[in-house]
Amino acid sequence: GENVEQHPSTLSVQEGDSAVIKCTYSDSASNYFPWYKQELGKRPQLIIDIRSNVGEKKDQRIAVTLNKTAKHFSLHITETQPEDSAVYFCAASKESGGSYIPTFGRGTSLIVHP
Amino acid sequence: EPEVTQTPSHQVTQMGQEVILRCVPISNHLYFYWYRQILGQKVEFLVSFYNNEISEKSEIFDDQFSVERPDGSNFTLKIRSTKLEDSAMYFCASSDGGPQYFGPGTRLTVT
Repeated sequence: GENVEQHPSTLSVQEGDSAVIKCTYSDSASNYFPWYKQELGKRPQLIIDIRSNVGEKKDQRIAVTLNKTAKHFSLHITETQPEDSAVYFCAASKESGGSYIPTFGRGTSLIVHP
Repeated sequence: EPEVTQTPSHQVTQMGQEVILRCVPISNHLYFYWYRQILGQKVEFLVSFYNNEISEKSEIFDDQFSVERPDGSNFTLKIRSTKLEDSAMYFCASSDGGPQYFGPGTRLTVT
C-alpha cells in the first residue's frame, strides 16, 4: 500500500518567515494530494490540494509543489502568522470506486512565534 | 457553508460495551468515510461508503466495526465490543468525489 513520509515533525519559525513542509510517497499511481491543517482539538481542514497533472498551485500565502518523478510534494507558507500555528498533514491518494482514499503523513507541528 | 456534524462530541464507555458514533454528512455528498486518530498520531482511514455499501476498508476495520446509513441523512459507525485500544478521536468525512470534508470528531474513551 501507499506510504507517506512527512518532515519535519516540528517546525518553529518567527512571524513573517516562510515555512516549508515536505512529503514523499511510494505509490506512483497516487494522483491527488491534499493538505490539511488541524488546530488543537479541532477537525482537519483542507487548505489546499493538487492533482498530478499540475506541478504547482498557489492560494494567497500557501503554495504546494509536486514532483511526480521524485514522488515528493511540499507545502510552502509565506509571511507566516501566529494563527498559522497548527499541525499540518499531507496526504497521497488515488481514485478508488469514484473517490479518493488518502494515506496521511504523520503531521508537522508548526509553531509561529510572534 | 454546510459542514459535517458528529454526535456525541465525547463518549466514555466500558471495555466490552457497544458504541455507536453518529455523523450527518454534507447533504449533497455521496461518499462517506470514517477515520480515527489516536492522540498525537496521524489520521488513519477506516472505511469508505458509497451507494449504501462499503467501497473500501482498512485492516483496522475488522469484524468489530460496522457502518450503516439508516436514513437519508445519518451515517453511523458501530463498535460492537470496545477495547482499550479503541480509545481515539473518530472523524467522519464526506465528499462529492472531490476533496473530503471532516466533521468535528467524537472522542471515544474506553475504560
